[in-house]
Amino acid sequence: EAQVTQNPRYLITVTGKKLTVTCSQNMNHEYMSWYRQDPGLGLRQIYYSMNVEVTDKGDVPEGYKVSRKEKRNFPLILESPSPNQTSLYFCASSFVQGYGYTFGSGTRLTVV
Amino acid sequence: RKEVEQDPGPFNVPEGATVAFNCTYSNSASQSFFWYRQDCRKEPKLLMSVYSSGNEDGRFTAQLNRASQYISLLIRDSKLSDSATYLCVVLNAGGTSYGKLTFGQGTILTVHP
Repeated sequence: EAQVTQNPRYLITVTGKKLTVTCSQNMNHEYMSWYRQDPGLGLRQIYYSMNVEVTDKGDVPEGYKVSRKEKRNFPLILESPSPNQTSLYFCASSFVQGYGYTFGSGTRLTVV
Repeated sequence: RKEVEQDPGPFNVPEGATVAFNCTYSNSASQSFFWYRQDCRKEPKLLMSVYSSGNEDGRFTAQLNRASQYISLLIRDSKLSDSATYLCVVLNAGGTSYGKLTFGQGTILTVHP
């Protein structure tokens, strides 16, 4: 089954404790992206990647890092999480940038 | 001004009603347009693309007015299962935002018996 898999689905952590949210797709998509979704603000892009070893900042990259060492994986790293990073996070991939996005099931992160 | 603006609703309609959502976008270089559907606490899923001539998919009709920078979604004969948040999405074609998808904050629809 074609899908984007995110882990974990839920995570509660403490301020400053490094964490990684994994994202993997099995569709051989070149384009991958991370979004966060907050009430009243909609989905905002954090980082995106157009191919292996090619990443770029989205609208809200502060406090996040990404890497794209393999085509299928695009982890999101929070080196020192803060409470304002409490949010619902989605990974998405597509064959062509902007078209036919497939989203992962989301990761609900709470930073206390 | 937000790049993509939607009336957040909520819209509460009875089964069988017709309901319309509107969306405006600010970037005239926008290239392509979509409606996504998001169920509560789940991932967004593509509902339909929006073409310049307007397009229909069953009970759903999407319209685009490039001159007014306006997109609409019409749902006829609403079903309980249509209850969701509907996201207006714009693909930018110009400048540093080339290829970027911008999401509206969504319009909440509740269909009741």
